[in-house]
Amino acid sequence: QSVLTQPPSVSGAPGQSVTISCTGSSSNIGAGYDVHWYQQLPGTAPTLLIFGNNNRPWGVPDRFSGSKSGTSASLAITGLQAEDEADYYCQSYDSSLSGYVFGTGTKVTVL
Amino acid sequence: QVQLVQSGADVKRSGASVTVSCMASGYTFTSYAFSWVRQAPGQGLEWMGWISAYNGDTKFAQNLQGRLTMTTDTSTRTAYMELRSLTSDDTAVYYCARTDHGDNPFDYWGQGTLVTVSS
Repeated sequence: QSVLTQPPSVSGAPGQSVTISCTGSSSNIGAGYDVHWYQQLPGTAPTLLIFGNNNRPWGVPDRFSGSKSGTSASLAITGLQAEDEADYYCQSYDSSLSGYVFGTGTKVTVL
Repeated sequence: QVQLVQSGADVKRSGASVTVSCMASGYTFTSYAFSWVRQAPGQGLEWMGWISAYNGDTKFAQNLQGRLTMTTDTSTRTAYMELRSLTSDDTAVYYCARTDHGDNPFDYWGQGTLVTVSS
């Protein structure tokens, strides 16, 4: 069961910016646990996109950025490119469930 | 470079068990842990459980506890996930992912293993 809520879809034209929200609660994001983001291109395994709320692994373009505030987190993509069309998931730890949790996932469409 | 290579696709009958393996290379095996994540067709990601490759400690999702076993074999650098009493709801792609303790990210993922459960 997903306890982190994301919008099902967002879209934008090439070059535009989009933001994906990830809403949690006081037992996960609000408890101070880090939020991580994953990109899943069609038919492939997820890859780590943002870790520790706002850090990019080596090789991830700086068009991708993360932030966290209170019980929510956000992923921003600026300068949208066709190759950014994918599903995006947030992930954190939940103390009530004593386990890791994923967001519901957001499909990004480049118009 | 870090690589996680999983076993191939499998088809099982309802009520059977399935074991998926995940062979790791490119890093010190016992310094990390594994999480297993599954994705039903057209659905999102679901965390299943976690195992430390250092001491075998495990943590399972509440809805799977009782049907799930996770182990590691240090000699072959392989992690295993066994799911029992399969139903059609268990049809999914199963992923292993390298992680650490605490709220660290899943930084490397296997290619995924499709498990199909038929009645």
